[in-house]
Amino acid sequence: QVQLVESGGGVVQPGRSLRLSCAASGLTFNNYDMYWVRQAPGKGLEWVAVIRYDGGKKNYADSVKGRFTISRDNSKNTLYLQMSSLRAEDTAVYYCARGAPVADYWGQGTLVTVSS
Amino acid sequence: EIVLTQSPGTLSLSPGERATLSCRASQSVSSSYLAWYQQKPGQAPRLLIYGASSRATGIPDRFSGSGSGTDFTLTISRLEPEDFAVYFCHQYGSSTYTFGQGTKLEIK
Repeated sequence: QVQLVESGGGVVQPGRSLRLSCAASGLTFNNYDMYWVRQAPGKGLEWVAVIRYDGGKKNYADSVKGRFTISRDNSKNTLYLQMSSLRAEDTAVYYCARGAPVADYWGQGTLVTVSS
Repeated sequence: EIVLTQSPGTLSLSPGERATLSCRASQSVSSSYLAWYQQKPGQAPRLLIYGASSRATGIPDRFSGSGSGTDFTLTISRLEPEDFAVYFCHQYGSSTYTFGQGTKLEIK
């Protein structure tokens, strides 16, 4: 069965960087686009970024463009989100999801807290 | 960016009743790339409907989706106790994807 496991969350100071990972299993990883979606505490879902199955195309929400970078390593079945210049408003649970093209399988999320 | 507006914000109904949730887009959603998700506290979202009207694997047939262009609807024909949750619509037809702000379905 498809499993997506996020890691790398934690507490980080404003202005610092953090890299999230999403380890995928039970799927042919390089056949699928992959998403990052976040959810601030008590709030709704916010799409963050998507990367094409081959890594050749990436799109970002305006709120993270220029600060976040999505990437993937198909040889390791792993998706990444490099986050820099973090702000308090980036505090959220970050989910990775398989895009088929709709986000059908989701991980359980990793919490990122930006606080001094 | 396509803005999705869901209504109502909160819907109070009883088990056995019919629920109708609305999602309106600020511009036409390409190829009906519109999905609906259910989310319960502490859980990841669960895909219910994709392509505006196709049920995801394992989703009961009391859930149905309809609509096209800018107006979409999720209908739950007869509410079960486990259906009380938050529901989000999501468009994935443009280069930047978006979610609606959610509708909370609560027990009356």
